[in-house]
Amino acid sequence: DAGITQSPRHKVTETGTPVTLRCHQTENHRYMYWYRQDPGHGLRLIHYSYGVKDTDKGEVSDGYSVSRSKTEDFLLTLESATSSQTSVYFCAISDRDSSYNEQFFGPGTRLTVL
Amino acid sequence: AQTVTQSQPEMSVQEAETVTLSCTYDTSESDYYLFWYKQPPSRQMILVIRQEAYKQQNATENRFSVNFQKAAKSFSLKISDSQLGDAAMYFCAYRGTSNFGNEKLTFGTGTRLTIIP
Repeated sequence: DAGITQSPRHKVTETGTPVTLRCHQTENHRYMYWYRQDPGHGLRLIHYSYGVKDTDKGEVSDGYSVSRSKTEDFLLTLESATSSQTSVYFCAISDRDSSYNEQFFGPGTRLTVL
Repeated sequence: AQTVTQSQPEMSVQEAETVTLSCTYDTSESDYYLFWYKQPPSRQMILVIRQEAYKQQNATENRFSVNFQKAAKSFSLKISDSQLGDAAMYFCAYRGTSNFGNEKLTFGTGTRLTIIP
């Protein structure tokens, strides 16, 4: 299994509070991604990174920011959490040197915003 | 924009039988990659099988195989000799090749597969 961990695994917070989710990899892969999973939507990309300090927006980036200061860590921040951000968040990694560049996923973080 | 459609929200199959999950997609690209992921109750996303569009031969991985019809933009997953451990949500996903650096996956909404003992 790819070495990907996410922390915390579960979090309950209140509307308006800041929240940071962490993704850590031990594979030295270049690409890292944050997705959210909601019923009826599958997984949707929030932000991704193609290198240290290189990030870009996905299709549902409003209300989220990311940072990547080291190859192994990719942080997702909700500056002021809202109830619509209650979701399961997945981090994924990939390596462009792989012919398929397939993505491998972390275990997910369940976030509840009250 | 690419879209992926899984028209079967739920499917069930008798243990040891064969089941086929449907996936269609829309794209204007000529080369791309397609994937099936499995998500059991543990919530972990597990890559089941992958296919590159320019390869004519359908991919197979043990009991899992695909029927890739490029002209019809169809990518169905066949599970043979279904086992209780196959019970999960299955997601079809698309990745294009035209945008360097944008390696995002576009997912379908999933099919929940139940195995009947």
